[in-house]
Amino acid sequence: GESVGLHLPTLSVQEGDNSIINCAYSNSASDYFIWYKQESGKGPQFIIDIRSNMDKRQGQRVTVLLNKTVKHLSLQIAATQPGDSAVYFCAENVGNSGYALNFGKGTSLLVTP
Amino acid sequence: EAGVTQSPTHLIKTRGQQVTLRCSPISGHTSVYWYQQALGLGLQFLLWYDEGEERNRGNFPPRFSGRQFPNYSSELNVNALELEDSALYLCASSSGQGSEKLFFGSGTQLSVL
Repeated sequence: GESVGLHLPTLSVQEGDNSIINCAYSNSASDYFIWYKQESGKGPQFIIDIRSNMDKRQGQRVTVLLNKTVKHLSLQIAATQPGDSAVYFCAENVGNSGYALNFGKGTSLLVTP
Repeated sequence: EAGVTQSPTHLIKTRGQQVTLRCSPISGHTSVYWYQQALGLGLQFLLWYDEGEERNRGNFPPRFSGRQFPNYSSELNVNALELEDSALYLCASSSGQGSEKLFFGSGTQLSVL
């Protein structure tokens, strides 16, 4: 079946730098995308979402970009902090799946001082 | 306001046994979702309940089942446990009003020996 995937399993950045986490999706019917952050021992925490009728959405220190032409999603974190160290998941929702988000495998972000 | 709560936090079972996991959604949320997160894998969708009814099911065998109670809390039952059932089981809730944004609990870590 179609799936959501991530380009890089691990990402190491220095504190203060910007981070970019990429995600590819293959289902052209996906109309909603969401990023989650999961810290060790905790459940995934919502970061930001975007619908397919948008190509960019900004939150506090985070920006999600959606390129439907190449089926690519990215999460940008500005001025990365040690507290940003976690596993980041992108997820997609296909309209006819009953709001069951399909998750990628995750990217581990490590912020070094 | 309390988030999604799950119990127990950890569980150890042996092959062939049965297990029941419990979840209480955020107050006011009517939809409950169950996901399995095995080591090294992403979140795999198990079940979705809304207003007491099973709305959708992931690609899991029938020995994975559940239910939702009138107060919207939910149980996940797994019969005839197998070693590969060892995973973190995550429950999430949403308002169920066309909202795909899921709020996750911290999960139940199940180990099958």
